[in-house]
Amino acid sequence: DTGVSQDPRHKITKRGQNVTFRCDPISEHNRLYWYRQTLGQGPEFLTYFQNEAQLEKSRLLSDRFSAERPKGSFSTLEIQRTEQGDSAMYLCASSLAGADEKLFFGSGTQLSVL
Amino acid sequence: SQQGEEDPQALSIQEGENATMNCSYKTSINNLQWYRQNSGRGLVHLILIRSNEREKHSGRLRVTLDTSKKSSSLLITASRAADTASYFCANNNAGNMLTFGGGTRLMVKP
Repeated sequence: DTGVSQDPRHKITKRGQNVTFRCDPISEHNRLYWYRQTLGQGPEFLTYFQNEAQLEKSRLLSDRFSAERPKGSFSTLEIQRTEQGDSAMYLCASSLAGADEKLFFGSGTQLSVL
Repeated sequence: SQQGEEDPQALSIQEGENATMNCSYKTSINNLQWYRQNSGRGLVHLILIRSNEREKHSGRLRVTLDTSKKSSSLLITASRAADTASYFCANNNAGNMLTFGGGTRLMVKP
């Protein structure tokens, strides 16, 4: 068990470009979550999957954001036409359904939009 | 927006002292969890307390829960410099996601 891994750790992009992040959860975990965190704030929920189904999505999530988990294993989060306000740490977490929703987090992808 | 608030936002203590952080939330919960985050890293789960529990211990951590006041507290006893981090409470309100508070930034001076 290598824990939750995220790639890349850091991403610098220019405004208007598209970016994609990847998350590999703990292998036996069937739930996967994306959160966003800005400096000095707590993580803010974006979306979550149970297996390959996207079951919940934050109402705050812009249409420029899309997430997939095609085979119920790894997940990708894509941001289209990035804006400076998208600069944040993007955190992925996984959990086992029925296990009190204790989350295991990756180290995050730090996005900087110039 | 976040559902919970934490108090204080920042706390600075000397090594060996106890640190107490408080958390308030707005809705009914199934459980409340505390996480720790070192600078620039992901969060690490510390302890979970269920809605029908009032107090729980884990090593140097003690968590209390008062559902009538919709509040929780985390006590770290005999703090160490290595405890320096941000601490977040998160509540599970019968949905399948955790809602996090804004965190308390703890600094323990050696």
